[in-house]
Amino acid sequence: DTAVSQTPKYLVTQMGNDKSIKCEQNLGHDTMYWYKQDSKKFLKIMFSYNNKELIINETVPNRFSPKSPDKAHLNLHINSLELGDSAVYFCASSQSLGDYEQYFGPGTRLTVT
Amino acid sequence: SQKIEQNSEALNIQEGKTATLTCNYTNYSPAYLQWYRQDPGRGPVFLLLIRENEKEKRKERLKVTFDTTLKQSLFHITASQPADSATYLCALAVSYGNNRLAFGKGNQVVVIP
Repeated sequence: DTAVSQTPKYLVTQMGNDKSIKCEQNLGHDTMYWYKQDSKKFLKIMFSYNNKELIINETVPNRFSPKSPDKAHLNLHINSLELGDSAVYFCASSQSLGDYEQYFGPGTRLTVT
Repeated sequence: SQKIEQNSEALNIQEGKTATLTCNYTNYSPAYLQWYRQDPGRGPVFLLLIRENEKEKRKERLKVTFDTTLKQSLFHITASQPADSATYLCALAVSYGNNRLAFGKGNQVVVIP
């Protein structure tokens, strides 16, 4: 019974392509996040949504666009992929805003060739 | 500039001993701090949260301290076991109210049987 799931787990694509990563949580949480973990292992917040409203929008290229169709789903669409986009992308959720623990998905390893 | 520092060298420790990890930060005033565990190829898993007005938190064999004067958190694993081998991430609440976390790079622990 997976709490936070992501698809696909692996994504290999060429530069210039457009791709999407999907995330779903079945915890009934209000808040969802996207993180990027690069090759140096730094985990950095990209976006967060609370009840489908954008809360955090870090300085990421506007080629990255999150979409939250409902509070259980947060998808990440990336346009015109570049080599530097290669990383592991993690989705996470928390009960709400404030001092709550975050539950992470298994990650999507994106490789851009 | 803002920094979160965790030891980049792996901590090798004998089974049964106490592992102690350090998280130092500069130019942050976190309202709370969290510790996560990450295994290779998996998403981080929440372990403990400690607030700025708390000195110490415990959960089973884990203990966290938070010293806002020293700008430091210590993470202890007592009676360490080989199953405790993983990377441990420190995460600071960058701003209160939106659960925006800034993560350290992590510190690997290897428990030797």
